[in-house]
Amino acid sequence: AQSVTQLGSHVSVSEGALVLLRCNYSSSVPPYLFWYVQYPNQGLQLLLKYTSAATLVKGINGFEAEFKKSETSFHLTKPSAHMSDAAEYFCAARTSTGNQFYFGTGTSLTVIP
Amino acid sequence: GAGVSQSPRYKVAKRGQDVALRCDPISGHVSLFWYQQALGQGPEFLTYFQNEAQLDKSGLPSDRFFAERPEGSVSTLKIQRTQQEDSAVYLCASSLAGGLNEQFFGPGTRLTVL
Repeated sequence: AQSVTQLGSHVSVSEGALVLLRCNYSSSVPPYLFWYVQYPNQGLQLLLKYTSAATLVKGINGFEAEFKKSETSFHLTKPSAHMSDAAEYFCAARTSTGNQFYFGTGTSLTVIP
Repeated sequence: GAGVSQSPRYKVAKRGQDVALRCDPISGHVSLFWYQQALGQGPEFLTYFQNEAQLDKSGLPSDRFFAERPEGSVSTLKIQRTQQEDSAVYLCASSLAGGLNEQFFGPGTRLTVL
């Protein structure tokens, strides 16, 4: 079964600092990988997705993620945090043969002014 | 707004009551998904429709949970004889089709069972 692990349920960064949110997946076959952001009282919004076309994926709002098969990782980064980045972030995986999305438990990002 | 809408946004039920949660997907979206998100957890898959056909219901936690999408548009998630462990946010998502098309999520319905 597919599983996704997000290390660190809470991450705090200073405004302007690097954002790094960690995600590891477990699978014998690299899945399709996604990062979603959830603002309070809103639905999940897709930030970016990896579909095997390129290992470095650029998303919205300046976020990007790199797929590393050797590390089974898909960490999310942003060079400079903005106050508006404060939200809950979810990593998710989907196999090529199924329609189920497997979500991590989420990382709450706090941006300190 | 052309996004996914869900109603009600908040529902409080007494243990043992039946509840019905509604999802209005984006017009023209073929695929519809239901997820359950417990407090402090990520969403967990419940069930998946393609048009009116329920192709996967493997995530439904018990036979008290039932979902339908009779005309291939609006979907209803019904929970019978609610239990306290059913308290969660129920998320609906829709996409143009299956595969890797982006899932658009609704704001969710927060169910609290007392």
